[in-house]
Amino acid sequence: RKEVEQDPGPFNVPEGATVAFNCTYSNSASQSFFWYRQDCRKEPKLLMSVYSSGNEDGRFTAQLNRASQYISLLIRDSKLSDSATYLCVVNRDDKIIFGKGTRLHILP
Amino acid sequence: SQTIHQWPATLVQPVGSPLSLECTVEGTSNPNLYWYRQAAGRGLQLLFYSVGIGQISSEVPQNLSASRPQDRQFILSSKKLLLSDSGFYLCAWAGQINEKLFFGSGTQLSVL
Repeated sequence: RKEVEQDPGPFNVPEGATVAFNCTYSNSASQSFFWYRQDCRKEPKLLMSVYSSGNEDGRFTAQLNRASQYISLLIRDSKLSDSATYLCVVNRDDKIIFGKGTRLHILP
Repeated sequence: SQTIHQWPATLVQPVGSPLSLECTVEGTSNPNLYWYRQAAGRGLQLLFYSVGIGQISSEVPQNLSASRPQDRQFILSSKKLLLSDSGFYLCAWAGQINEKLFFGSGTQLSVL
């Protein structure tokens, strides 16, 4: 079983819709969690950290469920510029493990 | 503020040639440093990480090696490139264990 798993998509979503991604991790010792965004042929960029209490940044909401070992990302009122690959990231000790990403296409 | 520099941006090398990719971080001390590779259409694969000068951990057996000769310098090398070494190579740093990761702009390596 992979340490971090994501649905690869693609998710094709009309502009203005709400979309949600999930990510599961296998190691219960994982300590911190993040969502990154990667545009084609570019480096990944931090979107937001994920906290146990859940956190929100504008149209983006992240949740962590330690008991079930999954992380979620919700995007509301999606924009064309949200089209990208979203990477789930899990930290354990000195290791930072990336999921393979979920591709999102926002359709006009 | 902290910045990370990675070069070159693109590189085309023949099979069997050597490789040296360099990454430097500015504005921070004793960062954790990482090398990742991303093959076309694939996820990020952790190659090496370093928590200090001369300390290198390798994640996968391969044709590559890494070195950290200075606190804020991380070098990825190969003596003889293989076709399978082609990919997008990313250097990254984090301030402490479990902190967020910041990436360089990447090197697109094509081995022909």
